[in-house]
Amino acid sequence: EVQLQESGPGLVKPSQSLSLTCSVTGYSITSNYWGWIRKFPGNKMEWMGYISYSGSTSYNPSLKSRISITRDTSKNQFFLQLNSVTTEDTATYYCARYSTGFDYWGQGVMVTVSS
Amino acid sequence: DVVLTQTPVSLLISLGGQASISCRSSQSLVHSNGNTYLHWYLQKPGQSPQLLIYQVSNRFSGIPDRFSGSGSGTDFTLKISRVEPEDLGVYYCLQRTHNPWTFGGGTKLELK
Repeated sequence: EVQLQESGPGLVKPSQSLSLTCSVTGYSITSNYWGWIRKFPGNKMEWMGYISYSGSTSYNPSLKSRISITRDTSKNQFFLQLNSVTTEDTATYYCARYSTGFDYWGQGVMVTVSS
Repeated sequence: DVVLTQTPVSLLISLGGQASISCRSSQSLVHSNGNTYLHWYLQKPGQSPQLLIYQVSNRFSGIPDRFSGSGSGTDFTLKISRVEPEDLGVYYCLQRTHNPWTFGGGTKLELK
């Protein structure tokens, strides 16, 4: 069974970087697409970007040059780095596999940006 | 960016009733390859979102046939028949035809 699990700090200071790891079991990240999605307080959801089976990436332009998604295929993990965070980056962050849709999701990690 | 407008924002339905959720796009969601990449998700309280319908009308594995999707171009609908308690939560549409991929604002389904 495909399983994803996010990990990382729950609290980040403004202007610092947010770094999250998504550990995948039951499926190789060298197949399909692997994305990061966040849900803000309230209901708004935002697609942040993905890394493909080949390692290519695509990002939401709204995140401009702040975002980077990388991977370690030997550990079957992929990573999110979001730089220069502000309080507006406070959200629950999810990693997910994209196949026919986002068909497998992690449980999510709540990240608060606060001093 | 493509804006997906979901209506209604909230829906009060009796158990066993039928619910209908609309997702209207600011642009056609027909991809240059002819496919339409409009998906539907449900986020139950305390859980991660789950895929219900992909590419407009295809039920994902394990999704009961009480859920159906339809539509084309810019107008899409998710119907839930014989609503059960496990159907409660927030429903989202997502398009990935155009970059950036965008979500609708969500529709909260509650019991009357």
